[in-house]
Amino acid sequence: KQEVTQIPAALSVPEGENLVLNCSFTDSAIYNLQWFRQDPGKGLTSLLLIQSSQREQTSGRLNASLDKSSGRSTLYIAASQPGDSATYLCAANYTGANSKLTFGKGITLSVRP
Amino acid sequence: EAGVVQSPRYKIIEKKQPVAFWCNPISGHNTLYWYLQNLGQGPELLIRYENEEAVDDSQLPKDRFSAERLKGVDSTLKIQPAELGDSAVYLCASSLGAGTPYEQYFGPGTRLTVT
Repeated sequence: KQEVTQIPAALSVPEGENLVLNCSFTDSAIYNLQWFRQDPGKGLTSLLLIQSSQREQTSGRLNASLDKSSGRSTLYIAASQPGDSATYLCAANYTGANSKLTFGKGITLSVRP
Repeated sequence: EAGVVQSPRYKIIEKKQPVAFWCNPISGHNTLYWYLQNLGQGPELLIRYENEEAVDDSQLPKDRFSAERLKGVDSTLKIQPAELGDSAVYLCASSLGAGTPYEQYFGPGTRLTVT
């Protein structure tokens, strides 16, 4: 069964810390992987999309990597800020043209001032 | 550029009542998705449209759920009759097309409470 796992479910860090959020997927034959941010009561905001042929993508303080052989993706957040507090979800596209995303349950991040 | 618009944002209904959700995708996006998100879970796909055609509705409970996308732009998702277990957030997303290069952009969602 094609699944996506995010552990731990919650994380609390002090402001300024560099942190890594992990995402594991069960099938190395993914087409792409997308990281989202979700604020309480809000929809999902796309952060980064990594194609299967890519190793990483960067946007500002965010860097996402993809290692298909190990079934892992990581989202690196540099110099965390209280405004980064949110739930971060990763989603794998196992189906290519069908664009069906399989989501993890998310990691709820709290950055303490 | 306007994002994906959904309405209403919140809806409270009694069980067995009908309910409808509306979505307006980003202009020019041919692909539209409806997702269901339960509390503490990631979204799950209900249906995907390519223009006005529903190309993947395998996860849609067709006994009570229906959807349409008029003229390949706006879409409506309906539940009739609603059950207690339907309480969740219903998210609409759109993308330029289907397939691997395209990011999906999500709306704010409609939070449904069935009492």
